[in-house]
Amino acid sequence: DAKTTQPTSMDCAEGRAANLPCNHSTISGNEYVYWYRQIHSQGPQYIIHGLKNNETNEMASLIITEDRKSSTLILPHATLRDTAVYYCIVRVANFGNEKLTFGTGTRLTIIP
Amino acid sequence: SQTIHQWPATLVQPVGSPLSLECTVEGTSNPNLYWYRQAAGRGLQLLFYSVGIGQISSEVPQNLSASRPQDRQFILSSKKLLLSDSGFYLCAWKRAGGSPSSGNTIYFGEGSWLTVV
Repeated sequence: DAKTTQPTSMDCAEGRAANLPCNHSTISGNEYVYWYRQIHSQGPQYIIHGLKNNETNEMASLIITEDRKSSTLILPHATLRDTAVYYCIVRVANFGNEKLTFGTGTRLTIIP
Repeated sequence: SQTIHQWPATLVQPVGSPLSLECTVEGTSNPNLYWYRQAAGRGLQLLFYSVGIGQISSEVPQNLSASRPQDRQFILSSKKLLLSDSGFYLCAWKRAGGSPSSGNTIYFGEGSWLTVV
């Protein structure tokens, strides 16, 4: 799976949009971009994923650049409960077994 | 809906003692199952995965083993714990087959904190 690069930490004011970048310059054509987050002492929570089109769900939006070498996760109106470590992952879409390789992620702190 | 249960939530064990962490998934059949470990301040490391009963693949050589005695049960074990086995252990599952385009993804349990003393 392609390697990803994320900033170690970020701050965002409560109520503002939080924009979390991820670089995946070696991504291949059949690899999806996934985002998870992990609140302290809990299991990772799935947020969103996409291949090449921008995606939106009830939690966030995912913007993937046209060359697919980077993406941005957007939390439109950040709340204190969004404070967590956010992981960007790219993986091949296997139909059988698959693995997710997590890096160290971005620690997002929402400031009141 | 599908749920995943993992226990115990916290465990303090002496060096050299055995370990058994259990994970069960409800609401689905023949899931892919995973054990991850997260050491303090680090990302998640895949330890074992299973695509069916009795089928276990190990990702890293270590002091741990995994078993899948039933379709929706995944157990992480050790005969003799080491200090380096301390960490946060996560069980996860994914619906077998399907593709990300259909929304298929991996879901995690709440984790088990293991401290070896």
